[in-house]
Amino acid sequence: KAGVTQTPRYLIKTRGQQVTLSCSPISGHRSVSWYQQTPGQGLQFLFEYFSETQRNKGNFPGRFSGRQFSNSRSEMNVSTLELGDSALYLCASSSGGGQISNTQYFGPGTRLTVL
Amino acid sequence: QKEVEQDPGPLSVPEGAIVSLNCTYSNSAFQYFMWYRQYSRKGPELLMYTYSSGNKEDGRFTAQVDKSSKYISLFIRDSQPSDSATYLCAMSSNAGGTSYGKLTFGQGTILTVHP
Repeated sequence: KAGVTQTPRYLIKTRGQQVTLSCSPISGHRSVSWYQQTPGQGLQFLFEYFSETQRNKGNFPGRFSGRQFSNSRSEMNVSTLELGDSALYLCASSSGGGQISNTQYFGPGTRLTVL
Repeated sequence: QKEVEQDPGPLSVPEGAIVSLNCTYSNSAFQYFMWYRQYSRKGPELLMYTYSSGNKEDGRFTAQVDKSSKYISLFIRDSQPSDSATYLCAMSSNAGGTSYGKLTFGQGTILTVHP
């Protein structure tokens, strides 16, 4: 089975711009979660989508948004970029069934640099 | 105070040593406990997943959970240079039956195993 894929792998933007990141989950997985990883704050949960609906949300400003399509692929968008948004953005997929075995598998991440 | 605290390290050990990695948590709702390994420039890779208090063994790795003390550990026996990576503990609850998709991570411990 192919793993979680994320595109693009690297991105450089300037302050004030917006960016869209894409995630394709493992085949058959219906849940996609997004995380931000920085040296100072570590890995922080952004949001989770399940069956095209946002199911959980972390403590990030409204500039961070996402969506999920009917094929379970997900995108996240960051508007009005700030220098502090520079980070590794990771997505993880799982079956989403809410069972004990519902473990998350991570993609390689998108490295976003804001200048 | 963070919900999950992890010994930051860094940790440097000789090949063949036993490594102990630890996390404490404050949220009693956490029920599922995971350890991830992250190599440089890669996404986190799931190592171990436990639900109940006690020990779970997988090859050279043993995960230990003590819910009464809100303390989890990962032991690595016969450590190898290839084990050099950042180790992250992660936890989730089952609030409302839909919180599996939100993981709360420790800060990570950088481990170096030297030959």
